[in-house]
Amino acid sequence: EAGVTQFPSHSVIEKGQTVTLRCDPISGHDNLYWYRRVMGKEIKFLLHFVKESKQDESGMPNNRFLAERTGGTYSTLKVQPAELEDSGVYFCASSPFGAGNTEAFFGQGTRLTVV
Amino acid sequence: AQSVAQPEDQVNVAEGNPLTVKCTYSVSGNPYLFWYVQYPNRGLQFLLKYITGDNLVKGSYGFEAEFNKSQTSFHLKKPSALVSDSALYFCAVRDTGFQKLVFGTGTRLLVSP
Repeated sequence: EAGVTQFPSHSVIEKGQTVTLRCDPISGHDNLYWYRRVMGKEIKFLLHFVKESKQDESGMPNNRFLAERTGGTYSTLKVQPAELEDSGVYFCASSPFGAGNTEAFFGQGTRLTVV
Repeated sequence: AQSVAQPEDQVNVAEGNPLTVKCTYSVSGNPYLFWYVQYPNRGLQFLLKYITGDNLVKGSYGFEAEFNKSQTSFHLKKPSALVSDSALYFCAVRDTGFQKLVFGTGTRLLVSP
């Protein structure tokens, strides 16, 4: 069974440009999460999808970040325009629906560097 | 608000010795506690979890963790460290009624030969 897959693994962009990150969750997992780790700090929650609906987007830093999950399958996270402080590792995770006591499965992350 | 503290940025241990990576938490309800590990150039891998039941939880790669409600701790342990255990370890908590995980800052474990 394939795990959570994220594209690209690395991205270097200039300040002001746009970047789109993609996450393919484990097949059949209704819950999809985005997290971010800024260098040396904790991994912080960004948002949570249940199927195609945003369940919790309390962690989204500002309106330069837009997440979508059309059709309830893969998800994209767009940063437009990117700022220097957006640099970090973006993790995606998925878990089965309604499984509050089940672990989430994480992808390998996308390392974003804004220069 | 939920929070997790990992007081040590790095833990150094010699191969063959026991290791402990510390974690304390704060939640308003019953905690669901998790440990994840990140090896170099890899994603986060699940190690173990505490939901309910026995306070001593066993997980992958010989790791275990002890849930202590009175001390609000969930320390990760292994009786005999391997060089290959060297990685970044994250403790996380999920409050009942919520889905998101709250992570600590991570502890780098360095096991020397």
